[in-house]
Amino acid sequence: KAGVTQTPRYLIKTRGQQVTLSCSPISGHRSVSWYQQTPGQGLQFLFEYFSETQRNKGNFPGRFSGRQFSNSRSEMNVSTLELGDSALYLCASSLARLDSGNTIYFGEGSWLTVV
Amino acid sequence: QKEVEQDPGPLSVPEGAIVSLNCTYSNSAFQYFMWYRQYSRKGPELLMYTYSSGNKEDGRFTAQVDKSSKYISLFIRDSQPSDSATYLCAMRRSTGFQKLVFGTGTRLLVSP
Repeated sequence: KAGVTQTPRYLIKTRGQQVTLSCSPISGHRSVSWYQQTPGQGLQFLFEYFSETQRNKGNFPGRFSGRQFSNSRSEMNVSTLELGDSALYLCASSLARLDSGNTIYFGEGSWLTVV
Repeated sequence: QKEVEQDPGPLSVPEGAIVSLNCTYSNSAFQYFMWYRQYSRKGPELLMYTYSSGNKEDGRFTAQVDKSSKYISLFIRDSQPSDSATYLCAMRRSTGFQKLVFGTGTRLLVSP
């Protein structure tokens, strides 16, 4: 069974540019969430999507956005990149059953460097 | 004050030692508790998943949750050099949402 797949794995962008990261969840998983990991702040929740709807959002500026498609695949976008956006961006997926007893699995992440 | 506190380490132990990793938290609404292992430049790998208070064992790993003290632990028996990694505790509320709150991670070094 394939795990959570993220692309691209590594990318370098210039300040002011925008970036789109992609995530394919584990087959059958309906919830996709995104996290930012930096040495200073650790792992921080960005947002969660379920059935193409954003149902939870972390404390990040509006430059960070995302979406989920009907096949549960998800993308996140960061516009007007700043140096501080350099981080490992992690996607996670889960079944998101109503009983809430769901394990959450992470992908390998996309390493973004902003120069 | 952070919702989840975790000693960043590093924690250095010899091969074969018993390792104890801990987290404290402040939000009594947390019901699900997880431990992830993260190797350098890799994504977090789920190790243990527990609901509410109690113990759970899986091979060399034992997870303990004490909700009355808001304290969770991960024990690693017979530690191996391959266990050298960063260990992250994570927790979430018992709602339909999947938001995890993480500790900062403890870096573990197991020397041969």
